[in-house]
Amino acid sequence: AQSVSQHNHHVILSEAASLELGCNYSYGGTVNLFWYVQYPGQHLQLLLKYFSGDPLVKGIKGFEAEFIKSKFSFNLRKPSVQWSDTAEYFCAVNAGNNRKLIWGLGTSLAVNP
Amino acid sequence: DGGITQSPKYLFRKEGQNVTLSCEQNLNHDAMYWYRQDPGQGLRLIYYSQIVNDFQKGDIAEGYSVSREKKESFPLTVTSAQKNPTAFYLCASGGYTFGSGTRLTVV
Repeated sequence: AQSVSQHNHHVILSEAASLELGCNYSYGGTVNLFWYVQYPGQHLQLLLKYFSGDPLVKGIKGFEAEFIKSKFSFNLRKPSVQWSDTAEYFCAVNAGNNRKLIWGLGTSLAVNP
Repeated sequence: DGGITQSPKYLFRKEGQNVTLSCEQNLNHDAMYWYRQDPGQGLRLIYYSQIVNDFQKGDIAEGYSVSREKKESFPLTVTSAQKNPTAFYLCASGGYTFGSGTRLTVV
């Protein structure tokens, strides 16, 4: 069965630290990949997505992610986090024709000022 | 503005009652989805519809029902058979565009 793993459940960083959140998926075919953010009390917001082309994807708010097909990974990065990045981050994968999203369990990021 | 509208934002239900959550989109998407979000469990797919008058069960369809009579609308009914309905419900269309959600609480 298809699955998505987010290895870090809780991450605590200080402002200006670099961020990398891991995401691995299990599916051998073509995939579309997504990172979403959910700020406290708010709804899901799409950070970035990968469908095809350049495996390094730039998103909003200074985030980027790199698709490494050989590693089945789509890790999220940000060179310097801010207190306002405190949120829950979800990785999701769409495989096949039905466009269902398979979700990771999320990573809770807390950035200390 | 194009988007997905979910209503109401907050909903309280007494045990044993059915309740319907609304989801409307003006993005002209064929596909629509309902997810449930619980703390520590991520999102789980309840039902999805890829075209009008057709829908399929997701991973946790028991206790829920849907209809898709119009392209723009995909309402979700949480029935009294759903044993633990308190959760945050998210509607999506086109695969990855989400509404702002409905928080359902059983009192």
